[in-house]
Amino acid sequence: NAGVTQTPKFRVLKTGQSMTLLCAQDMNHEYMYWYRQDPGMGLRLIHYSVGEGTTAKGEVPDGYNVSRLKKQNFLLGLESAAPSQTSVYFCASSYSRLSGDQYFGPGTRLLVL
Amino acid sequence: QQPVQSPQAVILREGEDAVINCSSSKALYSVHWYRQKHGEAPVFLMILLKGGEQKGHDKISASFNEKKQQSSLYLTASQLSYSGTYFCGTEDSNYQLIWGAGTKLIIKP
Repeated sequence: NAGVTQTPKFRVLKTGQSMTLLCAQDMNHEYMYWYRQDPGMGLRLIHYSVGEGTTAKGEVPDGYNVSRLKKQNFLLGLESAAPSQTSVYFCASSYSRLSGDQYFGPGTRLLVL
Repeated sequence: QQPVQSPQAVILREGEDAVINCSSSKALYSVHWYRQKHGEAPVFLMILLKGGEQKGHDKISASFNEKKQQSSLYLTASQLSYSGTYFCGTEDSNYQLIWGAGTKLIIKP
């Protein structure tokens, strides 16, 4: 099992450019999450999904969109990147919310110039 | 509202004990603990649910006092492998997991 994988691992964007981050999990988990982590800070939830075809806003959703067309994939889109979106993005998945253990991908480092 | 973790950082000698605290101003359904090593993804340690339970495995344990809206993580006889940043995440009645800013733990030989 690969667990949770993220593509790409690193990306540099110019202000105003768009991109999509891909998260894939092979554990048949219902719940998937996108977080951002800024230097020296904790994780902040951007969006999450409780199942295929569903998405919901987290703590910091502005400037991002998501889609969950297939159970195993969760896409995070930046339509018009801004320097404030420079961060490390982590995707995670879990069997259920209250089961606790979220499995994290390795992260995507995004630099917006 | 983000839970408050204390201390922000702690330096220990191998074999010493540490306590990391996590407190919230809101009523909590659960508390989650994760450890993150530098440049890596967070790794799940344990979850504590309402009911004031205590959990542990190996030499890492945690307690959850729902009345005080607090949780504490206990690391006994620390090992070099325990180094990293520890995060608590608190789940409120809206089922949102809000993470603390983290506690950096450095273990020296």
